[in-house]
Amino acid sequence: DGGITQSPKYLFRKEGQNVTLSCEQNLNHDAMYWYRQDPGQGLRLIYYSQIVNDFQKGDIAEGYSVSREKKESFPLTVTSAQKNPTAFYLCASSLYRGYEQYFGPGTRLTVT
Amino acid sequence: GQQVMQIPQYQHVQEGEDFTTYCNSSTTLSNIQWYKQRPGGHPVFLIQLVKSGEVKKQKRLTFQFGEAKKNSSLHITATQTTDVGTYFCAGQETSGSRLTFGEGTQLTVNP
Repeated sequence: DGGITQSPKYLFRKEGQNVTLSCEQNLNHDAMYWYRQDPGQGLRLIYYSQIVNDFQKGDIAEGYSVSREKKESFPLTVTSAQKNPTAFYLCASSLYRGYEQYFGPGTRLTVT
Repeated sequence: GQQVMQIPQYQHVQEGEDFTTYCNSSTTLSNIQWYKQRPGGHPVFLIQLVKSGEVKKQKRLTFQFGEAKKNSSLHITATQTTDVGTYFCAGQETSGSRLTFGEGTQLTVNP
C-alpha cells in the first residue's frame, strides 16, 4: 500500500523543547516537502529536498531543521528557536520537483 | 518572488448553487495545479493545466487556464455537500521549479 505516512497525528510539547516530526514515503519519489498550515491559512513551505543529502530552505525555514539521509525519509525538527510552533504540519512528496504532490495526513503540533 | 492569489477567501453557498474560485499569479506560469483539502484532512491533487486557454472537466468541476497563463479558475456546477473543503491553486513558474500555493478558497455548502 503506497503512500506517505506522518507520525504522530497529534503531538504536545512544552515550550523550549525540540521536537521531531516523522515523514516516510514508499512512492519512490525524489522530492519531498514540509509545509506549515495555520487555521484558515494556506500552505507555507518550510523546507524541500530534491534528492538524498540535499535540501533547500523554503519561505519560513527559521527555527526548523531537516535531514534527508534516505530517499524514503524526511524528518522535520521544530527547534526551541521557532517563535510560534503550534500549527498543522504537512509533509508531501512528488516524483520530481514541480510534479503533482502527494500529501501525508499531517501532524498537529501544540506547544504550551 | 512569485505570488499566487486566490479569491474569494470564503464562499458559502446553498446546495445546488454554482461556485467559482479564481487564482491569479504575479508572473507567467508554466503550469497550474489544483488541490482540495477536506475539513481536518490533507490536500489532494485534483488536476494540472499546462496549455494556454486549456479547459478540463471532471464531472461537475471545470478548470480553466487563462490565455496569458497568469490566471486560472475552478467552477463547480450544482454544488453538493461533498464539495465542502478548501480549494488551493498552485503555480509553477518554469518546468521543474517549486510550486507556490495560493491561500485557498474555503467552500461551505448548506444542505
